[in-house]
Amino acid sequence: QSVLTQPPSVSGAPGQRVTISCTGSSSNIGAGYGVHWYKQLPGTAPKLLIYGNNIRPSGVPDRFSGSKSGTSASLAITGLQAEDEADYYCQSYDNSLSVRYVFGTGTKVTVL
Amino acid sequence: QVQLVQSGAEVKQPGASVKVSCKVSGYSFRDYFIHWVRQAPGQGPEWMGWMNPKNGDTNYAQKFQGWVTMTRDTSISTAYMEVGRLSPDDTAVYYCARGPNGYYFDYWGQGALVTVSS
Repeated sequence: QSVLTQPPSVSGAPGQRVTISCTGSSSNIGAGYGVHWYKQLPGTAPKLLIYGNNIRPSGVPDRFSGSKSGTSASLAITGLQAEDEADYYCQSYDNSLSVRYVFGTGTKVTVL
Repeated sequence: QVQLVQSGAEVKQPGASVKVSCKVSGYSFRDYFIHWVRQAPGQGPEWMGWMNPKNGDTNYAQKFQGWVTMTRDTSISTAYMEVGRLSPDDTAVYYCARGPNGYYFDYWGQGALVTVSS
């Protein structure tokens, strides 16, 4: 069972901006733990996209950005491209559960 | 470059066990925790636990305690995860991932599909 809630799907035309929300609670995101984002293409492993709320690893385009406020976080994709079509997961740490590292429910991004 | 290369797909009968390996290269094996994450078909990732390659310490998610074991062989920079008493619900892709400071996973193995079926 996922502790972090994401919308099941978002879509946009090429070039548009889309955002994905990630809602947690006071024991994870709200407790100050970082939010991290992963992109997963079908049949492949998740790939780190954003860490520490808003830091892009080397090689990740600056079209991807992250933010965090209170018990929620968001991933924004600007200038949407066909290769952005994938599943996206947020992830954080929870200090109240036996499952310490928690993932979001996942969001399918569709490029129209 | 950093790589985590896992063993291949397995098919197991219910009640059996499976051991998945994860060989790392491109960095010092002892310097980063290795986490194991599984993903059932059509589901999101689920964290199983971590292993500290430096001393072998482990920490498992509560639901996996008692039937998952994480070990390592530092001489060959390889981590292992064994799951016992398999049931069809354990059918999933099992990933190893490197864990730097900061509670996230920066590099992942390619995954090992474990299918449990009679």
